[in-house]
Amino acid sequence: DTGVSQDPRHKITKRGQNVTFRCDPISEHNRLYWYRQTLGQGPEFLTYFQNEAQLEKSRLLSDRFSAERPKGSFSTLEIQRTEQGDSAMYLCATSGTSVPYEQFFGPGTRLTVL
Amino acid sequence: QKEVEQDPGPLSVPEGAIVSLNCTYSNSAFQYFMWYRQYSRKGPELLMYTYSSGNKEDGRFTAQVDKSSKYISLFIRDSQPSDSATYLCAILNRDDKIIFGKGTRLHILP
Repeated sequence: DTGVSQDPRHKITKRGQNVTFRCDPISEHNRLYWYRQTLGQGPEFLTYFQNEAQLEKSRLLSDRFSAERPKGSFSTLEIQRTEQGDSAMYLCATSGTSVPYEQFFGPGTRLTVL
Repeated sequence: QKEVEQDPGPLSVPEGAIVSLNCTYSNSAFQYFMWYRQYSRKGPELLMYTYSSGNKEDGRFTAQVDKSSKYISLFIRDSQPSDSATYLCAILNRDDKIIFGKGTRLHILP
């Protein structure tokens, strides 16, 4: 257990529905990252926060995706109007600012869109 | 050309053998190189990181970086069935983002 938790662990939804995932970081880590991983691929960067500020978003993150970290602690990732192509593992990772290469991952949320 | 290239395997070796896992990368400016291990249906777990060229050892694991050839390696000595997992190489780019390879699936046969 890395100390990073994600909820839910699994989510099955129908196409067109909205879903929201939550990540609770290691408390002293002020950087929080979201990744997406599909079968047979490594994790792909989606977005990251430094405290409550969202510093960068990948071009992979369409307008249907939004992420927040309102108080610089937990973060949520919302997907609106889900599509079958959104089916993937969504991973959260956290790090300290001075050690961005030491990212600790949560267990992930596996999303299946029917 | 992808920033990090990794053979997806699978790679099967007998218990006790030395395992060699490898990646290549494209940008000579990269300075931090990491290896993550991922068990099925779990998040990746940081095994080791190295800075610049050279070797780094941690127990049965040795990470090696050759910046002249843009080649990174992970060696596992005395491999155990519990080492069976997917091994992801990764680099830290100049924007502090981690770029992962596809991962190599490793099976250690008892």
